[in-house]
Amino acid sequence: DTGVSQNPRHKITKRGQNVTFRCDPISEHNRLYWYRQTLGQGPEFLTYFQNEAQLEKSRLLSDRFSAERPKGSFSTLEIQRTEQGDSAMYLCASREQGNLAKNIQYFGAGTRLSVL
Amino acid sequence: DAKTTQPPSMDCAEGRAANLPCNHSTISGNEYVYWYRQIHSQGPQYIIHGLKNNETNEMASLIITEDRKSSTLILPHATLRDTAVYYCIVRVDGTSGSRLTFGEGTQLTVNP
Repeated sequence: DTGVSQNPRHKITKRGQNVTFRCDPISEHNRLYWYRQTLGQGPEFLTYFQNEAQLEKSRLLSDRFSAERPKGSFSTLEIQRTEQGDSAMYLCASREQGNLAKNIQYFGAGTRLSVL
Repeated sequence: DAKTTQPPSMDCAEGRAANLPCNHSTISGNEYVYWYRQIHSQGPQYIIHGLKNNETNEMASLIITEDRKSSTLILPHATLRDTAVYYCIVRVDGTSGSRLTFGEGTQLTVNP
């Protein structure tokens, strides 16, 4: 499978615990995006990387959230001191650079987080 | 990015064409119209996009009005597997990292 891979698919945690999600983008896609989706809503942008550089962060990304893409390949999203309001689906997407006429993002299946 | 308006839900009979409308009256000249869909428990999937001209691919057709203030996504022969939330997005490529701004979309239900 050469699509975007996200792990784990589901995560249940207790309030106050830290969690980390992983995203493996499509090979050679240098742009990687994180989105969050709550029930009944469309996905909301959190942050994006071009290679290893984090170029933009949404105001939704509080200081409890941190994302990394250390070698410009896979990325991790960590949430510290989780709160019940963090319960959501966390989606990762990737796209290739260039070709502005073809801004197609490929999404993974997401990680569903439940904070008890 | 321009704001879009879509009906919250639509129904379609299996085998018939599904026509999903989207209003984007504030679209500017360099903004593209993109359509994605999200089947339950999966990530969004790209369908089609266009700037001015109508577009067709193996999944769907995109009809953009001449003034570009609205568009219609057409699934020519809907199947049960096309049941999903369909998102219409307008954006300028090359800005803001090309993030996608999703609205609430249209829940399309294809009935047998």
